[in-house]
Amino acid sequence: QSVLTQPPSASGTPGQRVTIFCSGSSSNIGNNHVYWYQQFPGRAPKLLIYRNIQRPSGVPERFSGSQSGTSASLAISGLRSEDEADYYCTAWDDSLSGWAFGGGTKVTVL
Amino acid sequence: QVHLVQSGSELKKPGASVILSCKTSGYTFTRPGMNWLRQAPGQGLEWVGYINTKTGNPMYGQGFTGRFVFSLETSAGTTYLQISRLKAEDTAVYYCAESGVGDGFYGMDVWGQGTTVTVSS
Repeated sequence: QSVLTQPPSASGTPGQRVTIFCSGSSSNIGNNHVYWYQQFPGRAPKLLIYRNIQRPSGVPERFSGSQSGTSASLAISGLRSEDEADYYCTAWDDSLSGWAFGGGTKVTVL
Repeated sequence: QVHLVQSGSELKKPGASVILSCKTSGYTFTRPGMNWLRQAPGQGLEWVGYINTKTGNPMYGQGFTGRFVFSLETSAGTTYLQISRLKAEDTAVYYCAESGVGDGFYGMDVWGQGTTVTVSS
């Protein structure tokens, strides 16, 4: 049982916009920044969004993050086949004194 | 661009110990945070903890105290994760990931390739 809640799957056709939601609580998302990671099968995760909305250098603009209250979301606009991957949200949890993760969302491009 | 190179796969019996390593490509730690995470087969990510490569202070995630120990070899730019009294549920891919700390944390943006640990009798 993950501390942060994500849907196990999401899908869309090429060009569509897909949004992944991540739900937490006041001890994590409600009080700390959210980060998103992208992971392809058999590969290490890659940082996609930091501090709720910031994109590291090299991450396409079609990936965007937002945060409101105890929830956060990752949007992928102009969905592409190469976006098929697992996506994880994470935030520091003050109660755990550690990083809490969502269970991951598998994005499928139909 | 810093690269993290992790040690090779391990197959261990329950009750044994294992030491995993994570070496920076330039043999120098460029940022103070070295995190360890694990991912059991078909499961999500878990934060094992991190070690501050400047001070040597470790912080362990919930459920990772006692059997999990971080250490440093600063001259070699290498961090280690020792896991003792291995259990079947420790079977996972273990990743190291570099980051800043505190106000300087901008995400874990450099990752090792992962080390597969299999615990089986």
